[in-house]
Amino acid sequence: DGGITQSPKYLFRKEGQNVTLSCEQNLNHDAMYWYRQDPGQGLRLIYYSQIVNDFQKGDIAEGYSVSREKKESFPLTVTSAQKNPTAFYLCASSLTGSLYGYTFGSGTRLTVV
Amino acid sequence: QKEVEQDPGPLSVPEGAIVSLNCTYSNSAFQYFMWYRQYSRKGPELLMYTYSSGNKEDGRFTAQVDKSSKYISLFIRDSQPSDSATYLCAMSGAQKLVFGQGTRLTINP
Repeated sequence: DGGITQSPKYLFRKEGQNVTLSCEQNLNHDAMYWYRQDPGQGLRLIYYSQIVNDFQKGDIAEGYSVSREKKESFPLTVTSAQKNPTAFYLCASSLTGSLYGYTFGSGTRLTVV
Repeated sequence: QKEVEQDPGPLSVPEGAIVSLNCTYSNSAFQYFMWYRQYSRKGPELLMYTYSSGNKEDGRFTAQVDKSSKYISLFIRDSQPSDSATYLCAMSGAQKLVFGQGTRLTINP
């Protein structure tokens, strides 16, 4: 079955650590996205990529970094510069130009301890 | 002012009731309007999408768009406990979606 796999499902980070969230898709989608979800705030766009080796900042990119070396993979690193990283992180993908056909992964819950 | 406003609820109704969920928006350039359903600790799944003003029906669900008022709605008829979830409206801007805050809905048996 085609879909998006996010791992791990739960992640704990100590103060000052960088952590990387994995996102893999086998839908042959060109575009991939990272969103952050906090209670009462909906989904906020962190980074997106429409093609391999290219990505753009979203609305809340500070403290995050991404790479897009393969079409199937779009990992997100939460750096120590992100002061409030505790949140639910969602990865999505779509065909380029598809403004409604987003497929989401099941998310990663990141908690700072 | 946020581009998309959605009442976060929570909203609790008895089984069988008609549910109305709403969003307003400020950007007149939005073209596609979507509703996503998100169960607890899961990713959102696309429920319905519409293009331009009008109604679209799919089983117990009806999506309505009024571009002149910048207002969209999702109606759920004969609501079931399995409809309990968070419902997010979303609209397409240039190359990306803009989401509402989500409304948490509970259907009580």
